[in-house]
Amino acid sequence: AQSVTQLDSQVPVFEEAPVELRCNYSSSVSVYLFWYVQYPNQGLQLLLKYLSGSTLVKGINGFEAEFNKSQTSFHLRKPSVHISDTAEYFCAVTVDNYGQNFVFGPGTRLSVLP
Amino acid sequence: DTGVSQDPRHKITKRGQNVTFRCDPISEHNRLYWYRQTLGQGPEFLTYFQNEAQLEKSRLLSDRFSAERPKGSFSTLEIQRTEQGDSAMYLCASSRSGPSGNTIYFGEGSWLTVV
Repeated sequence: AQSVTQLDSQVPVFEEAPVELRCNYSSSVSVYLFWYVQYPNQGLQLLLKYLSGSTLVKGINGFEAEFNKSQTSFHLRKPSVHISDTAEYFCAVTVDNYGQNFVFGPGTRLSVLP
Repeated sequence: DTGVSQDPRHKITKRGQNVTFRCDPISEHNRLYWYRQTLGQGPEFLTYFQNEAQLEKSRLLSDRFSAERPKGSFSTLEIQRTEQGDSAMYLCASSRSGPSGNTIYFGEGSWLTVV
């Protein structure tokens, strides 16, 4: 079975600074990887996904992530954050085309400070 | 293209009461999922429908929980005899079948507080 680790439970960063949110996964087979964002009291919104092809994927709101198979990582980055990026970010992994096999990490709370 | 919608968004109930949540998936999506999320955790899978058939249930789904999708469109999740441990956000999600079936789209969630 696969698992996801998000090492940082909270990441405070000043506005306009760069940020990296870390995600590592464990799986014995090939994976598909996702980042979701959750704003307070809301559901999860898809930020970006890696299914195949280029290991650098770009998503909405200026975020990007890089799949590194050798390091089993899928870190999320943004070169300059805004106050509106304050939210919870979840990394998720699946091994097939079925949503019930998603495994989510515990989340990282990004707080952007003025 | 409307997203996944859930109702109600918030529900406060007394322990022992029954509650029901409704989910309307994205119209062309034939797969529908229910997840549960507690504070400080990621979503955990509860159950999954393809059209009207409930194909999988997590062990998290106790006998007090029942989900239906009678016509393959909207779905309901009922919790009977609620307990304080049921307090959580219940998320509905949907996806297409086929190669893009691994991209799931979530609704806004339904918060349940059992007092």
